[in-house]
Amino acid sequence: NAGVTQTPKFQVLKTGQSMTLQCAQDMNHEYMSWYRQDPGMGLRLIHYSVGAGITDQGEVPNGYNVSRSTTEDFPLRLLSAAPSQTSVYFCASSYSGNRGSYEQYFGPGTRLTVT
Amino acid sequence: SQQGEEDPQALSIQEGENATMNCSYKTSINNLQWYRQNSGRGLVHLILIRSNEREKHSGRLRVTLDTSKKSSSLLITASRAADTASYFCATDEAGNMLTFGGGTRLMVKP
Repeated sequence: NAGVTQTPKFQVLKTGQSMTLQCAQDMNHEYMSWYRQDPGMGLRLIHYSVGAGITDQGEVPNGYNVSRSTTEDFPLRLLSAAPSQTSVYFCASSYSGNRGSYEQYFGPGTRLTVT
Repeated sequence: SQQGEEDPQALSIQEGENATMNCSYKTSINNLQWYRQNSGRGLVHLILIRSNEREKHSGRLRVTLDTSKKSSSLLITASRAADTASYFCATDEAGNMLTFGGGTRLMVKP
């Protein structure tokens, strides 16, 4: 199993540009989520999904869109990049989103810089 | 806002010593998890403790949970240089979200 994969690993955007961060998992996990991690900080939840066709907002959803058309993929779209979105983005998956009862498997992260 | 808060923010010890880090949270939980993050990498799950458990062990790791004080501790015994990493606690909230604390940066000197 490849686990959770994320592409790209690094990205530089100009203010106002849009892009999609890709996330895929091959463990047939129902639950997938996106976090951002700012320097010296913990992770903050952006969006999550409890299954194909179902998404919901996390703590910091503004400026981001998600979709979940398949169990395997959960892309994160930045609509109009801003310098405040400079961060490291992590995708995670788990068997179920039942009140955080299962361990999360994390991808390696995408380091995004917005100039 | 972050549910869990780790203490201390940074910890430096010698190899062979024990490392203890603490996590406090605000609301009732069903589960609390601990994760490790090596520099520049994703998080790796260490241990999950349920609200009806008081202590759990995994190798050199010991986790305790005190729901009356809304706190948990992670003890790493006989630390090694390879244990150098950031450690995060994460708690479940209402619904399907897992909330992470700010982390403890552990440095183990050889």
